[in-house]
Amino acid sequence: DAGVTQSPTHLIKTRGQQVTLRCSPISGHKSVSWYQQVLGQGPQFIFQYYEKEERGRGNFPDRFSARQFPNYSSELNVNALLLGDSALYLCASSTRRGGGYNEQFFGPGTRLTVL
Amino acid sequence: AQRVTQPEKLLSVFKGAPVELKCNYSYSGSPELFWYVQYSRQRLQLLLRHISRESIKGFTADLNKGETSFHLKKPFAQEEDSAMYYCALRDAGGTSYGKLTFGQGTILTVHP
Repeated sequence: DAGVTQSPTHLIKTRGQQVTLRCSPISGHKSVSWYQQVLGQGPQFIFQYYEKEERGRGNFPDRFSARQFPNYSSELNVNALLLGDSALYLCASSTRRGGGYNEQFFGPGTRLTVL
Repeated sequence: AQRVTQPEKLLSVFKGAPVELKCNYSYSGSPELFWYVQYSRQRLQLLLRHISRESIKGFTADLNKGETSFHLKKPFAQEEDSAMYYCALRDAGGTSYGKLTFGQGTILTVHP
């Protein structure tokens, strides 16, 4: 298993544009979470999806949206890009455990640069 | 609200010396604490979690609810321990949706 995969690896956009980032979870993992990591800071939670439904949302504007597909892969969309959206976007997958979730496995991230 | 604080951005030690990476948290609910590590050019990976109480690569961490701390310790640092370390918290209760709250990270450098 290749682990969590993300595409593209790097992306350069200009202000006002829209971007779509993709994530494929580990086989058998039905939970996908997205995090934003700005340079010099720890990852910050954006969304979690489980069984194709949004289960949690962080403190991000409505310009950020996501969805999960029947095969449990996920997309993160960001509209009207701002310079401050430049960051490493991480995807993590996990399995369910009782009322919570097991260990989150992280992908390599997508580096987004907004000019 | 959940908050994780790692007071040291940089920590340097010599090989064979003890190392302690500090982590403090604030959370009104029941927390679950983790340490994640990111080696150079590798992805973020789980190092240890407080509920398993195990030692990984010689590292240990004890959850101190009274001091709201979860410091990471290793008695004898090795050069291969050089990496970025993140302390993270999530709600351990049944309403958790798995959200992790991370600290800002500590870069550990172990000199030969």
